[in-house]
Amino acid sequence: SQQGEEDPQALSIQEGENATMNCSYKTSINNLQWYRQNSGRGLVHLILIRSNEREKHSGRLRVTLDTSKKSSSLLITASRAADTASYFCATDAITGGGNKLTFGTGTQLKVEL
Amino acid sequence: DTGVSQDPRHKITKRGQNVTFRCDPISEHNRLYWYRQTLGQGPEFLTYFQNEAQLEKSRLLSDRFSAERPKGSFSTLEIQRTEQGDSAMYLCASRKTRMGGDEQFFGPGTRLTVL
Repeated sequence: SQQGEEDPQALSIQEGENATMNCSYKTSINNLQWYRQNSGRGLVHLILIRSNEREKHSGRLRVTLDTSKKSSSLLITASRAADTASYFCATDAITGGGNKLTFGTGTQLKVEL
Repeated sequence: DTGVSQDPRHKITKRGQNVTFRCDPISEHNRLYWYRQTLGQGPEFLTYFQNEAQLEKSRLLSDRFSAERPKGSFSTLEIQRTEQGDSAMYLCASRKTRMGGDEQFFGPGTRLTVL
């Protein structure tokens, strides 16, 4: 079952603007990961944030994590047309073992020229 | 290219037929996962292996599904007596549990269409 929910479900912006996506989850986690998926393709790992971290940066990506609210956000700055894709958050829960990931429903991002 | 490969990339079959998919993980990765993704949804966990041992199976994995990783390297996922509800993208991922990061590396997926 899907644990996380991304918000918004779809986002359309102009090139150069910033895009913010939010993710909520339900259980205690070891870490939270963000993935990108181009239409009909596999998932590409973007960034991982551990439960004891609050913010992490990687290039144009900034991720925040609030474990008290069980939520995370992904910010893509200065977006490009090539950023058009679906973005998923995935949690590695403390219980259950195996480090299997539970994915959210995704945010479809469209960056227009 | 993440280094994880899957074959075939697309499979069209008729209801009732058996299908088998293959996943080749990154060579030093000891853990291998299978996920299923239906249209408009995020991937859902099916099963995972630590080396050759299958350690967990989701209740999504009915008796018609079987997965193997015989030598702790590549893995196969077989679906017997396929049903239209099996139509989905089947994704494989791998990671290294020792001296590795926690991220999983995904293959391009096998898209199954059951007619």
